[in-house]
Amino acid sequence: QVQLVESGGGVVQPGMSLRLSCAASGFSFDTYGMHWVRQAPGKGLEWVALISFDGSNKYYKDSVKGRFTISRDNSKNMLYLEMNSLRLEDRALYYCAKGSMLPQTWGQGTLVTVSS
Amino acid sequence: EIVMTQSPATLSVSPGERATLSCRASQSVYSNLAWYQQKPGQAPRLLIYGVSSRATGIPARFSGGGSGTEFTLTISSLQSEDFALYYCHQYFDWPLTFGPGTKVDIK
Repeated sequence: QVQLVESGGGVVQPGMSLRLSCAASGFSFDTYGMHWVRQAPGKGLEWVALISFDGSNKYYKDSVKGRFTISRDNSKNMLYLEMNSLRLEDRALYYCAKGSMLPQTWGQGTLVTVSS
Repeated sequence: EIVMTQSPATLSVSPGERATLSCRASQSVYSNLAWYQQKPGQAPRLLIYGVSSRATGIPARFSGGGSGTEFTLTISSLQSEDFALYYCHQYFDWPLTFGPGTKVDIK
């Protein structure tokens, strides 16, 4: 069955960087696009980024463009989100999700806390 | 950006009753509309995609409808496990966006 396991979250100060990872298993990773979606504590869902199956196309929410980079390693079935210049408003639970356009199956998330 | 709105914010329903949730898009999303269910402490679960297609393993009591900018999710007879948060989502245009959610709680 599809399994997505996020890691890499933690507590950082504003302006710092963090790299999130998502380990995928149970499906042909290199044939699906992959998303990052976040959820601030007690708030709704906010799409962050999508990478195509082969990594050739990447899409971002405007507020993270230029600060966040989505990438993947199909040889390792891994998805990444490099987050730079973190802001207080980036504090959230970050989910990775499988899906070439529609997020279909989601991991359990990794928590990013940005605090001064 | 396509703005998604949902109503009501909270829907109080008795077990066994029917629940109808509404979702509106600020512009047409054609058939690129999905619904998710989220319970406390859990990741969202895909219920409906393409307006009306049930995802794998989703019970038939969940049904979706609508077109263009107006959509509904109907739960025909609420079970105890259906009390949760429900989000609509458009995947027609960038950035992908979600509605603010409707909480279905026990009356």
